[in-house]
Amino acid sequence: GAVVSQHPSWVICKSGTSVKIECRSLDFQATTMFWYRQFPKQSLMLMATSNEGSKATYEQGVEKDKFLINHASLTLSTLTVTSAHPEDSSFYICSATPGHQTYEQYFGPGTRLTVT
Amino acid sequence: GDSVTQMEGPVTLSEEAFLTINCTYTATGYPSLFWYVQYPGEGLQLLLKATKADDKGSNKGFEATYRKETTSFHLEKGSVQVSDSAVYFCALRETSGSRLTFGEGTQLTVNP
Repeated sequence: GAVVSQHPSWVICKSGTSVKIECRSLDFQATTMFWYRQFPKQSLMLMATSNEGSKATYEQGVEKDKFLINHASLTLSTLTVTSAHPEDSSFYICSATPGHQTYEQYFGPGTRLTVT
Repeated sequence: GDSVTQMEGPVTLSEEAFLTINCTYTATGYPSLFWYVQYPGEGLQLLLKATKADDKGSNKGFEATYRKETTSFHLEKGSVQVSDSAVYFCALRETSGSRLTFGEGTQLTVNP
């Protein structure tokens, strides 16, 4: 149980285009989802927290207009990187928590984004 | 605010060696403590956890004990295997909410 998937697992896009990454909780309803960014050989940096049906809460220094987060249902959250640039290339990881009975975070496998 | 500090890596060991990865934390309340493992190109997997002082988390031969007096949660394994090669993250979660605070991560390489 408690499986979180991400799609795509890797994506290459051209500079200036937008890319959408999906995060799904497959066997539970996720009241809260988190989006992290990880640079090579570094720790996870929390970008934003999203609760179903409400606006995401972004961490300081994260551009909300560039990293659009939508949590439209209890099993799906999306991260859209708008007008991507090479410096946005990174490993993006989502996690989800049921929230009601447990605050455990279950992590997705990550999405490798490369912007050329 | 909350913070987690891990021993600097990378750590390189021979198979069957003893492993210790140090982790200390700073928190205002009574956090839960976690160790996560990340294999190359993958997301994080929960390795073990402890929710209160003196609790011992264990899984797959790994152990860590929640020491409130030293604010530590060191990860240990008596005999490492090549398959244990990965990055290990120590993390804490405050008593209220689900937000995690991660340490810097420690790269472990086990050679045959």
